[in-house]
Amino acid sequence: DGGITQSPKYLFRKEGQNVTLSCEQNLNHDAMYWYRQDPGQGLRLIYYSQIVNDFQKGDIAEGYSVSREKKESFPLTVTSAQKNPTAFYLCASSTPGANYGYTFGSGTRLTVV
Amino acid sequence: AQSVSQHNHHVILSEAASLELGCNYSYGGTVNLFWYVQYPGQHLQLLLKYFSGDPLVKGIKGFEAEFIKSKFSFNLRKPSVQWSDTAEYFCAVNGKGGGNKLTFGTGTQLKVEL
Repeated sequence: DGGITQSPKYLFRKEGQNVTLSCEQNLNHDAMYWYRQDPGQGLRLIYYSQIVNDFQKGDIAEGYSVSREKKESFPLTVTSAQKNPTAFYLCASSTPGANYGYTFGSGTRLTVV
Repeated sequence: AQSVSQHNHHVILSEAASLELGCNYSYGGTVNLFWYVQYPGQHLQLLLKYFSGDPLVKGIKGFEAEFIKSKFSFNLRKPSVQWSDTAEYFCAVNGKGGGNKLTFGTGTQLKVEL
């Protein structure tokens, strides 16, 4: 079945450590996105990538980094510079053009202690 | 910049009641509009979308939404809710010319009581 796989589902890290969240898709979608979901704040865009080897900052990119070396993969690194990293992180993908919605992964809940 | 407002943060209804969730957007040009739903423990799913044409769009599970351009609104409706509709609902906008970036509202938690 085609879809988006995010791993792990739950992640715990100590404060000050960098952590990388995985996102893989087998939908042959060109575009991929990372959102952060916090209670009462909806989904906020962190980074997005329209094609391989290219990505742009979203609304809340500070303290995060990404790479897009393969079409299928768009890992997100939460660095120690992110002041409030504990959150639910969602990865999504879509086909080119503005007329399509997103397919979402099941998310990774990151807790920094 | 595009933005979305969802004014109802928490809604509690009894089964068979009618539902209307408000969504207003801000964008100066042509938009695509979406409603997504997140059932407890599940990932976000597309409920319905508006691109052009008939402003009344129908989605899955009996939901519909009406695009009113003059009011910058895209309210979600269902004539008779069921307990299984308990979920969080997100409105999203994609302004044409801005790539395929979706901007989401803050969400509405709907609880349907038996």
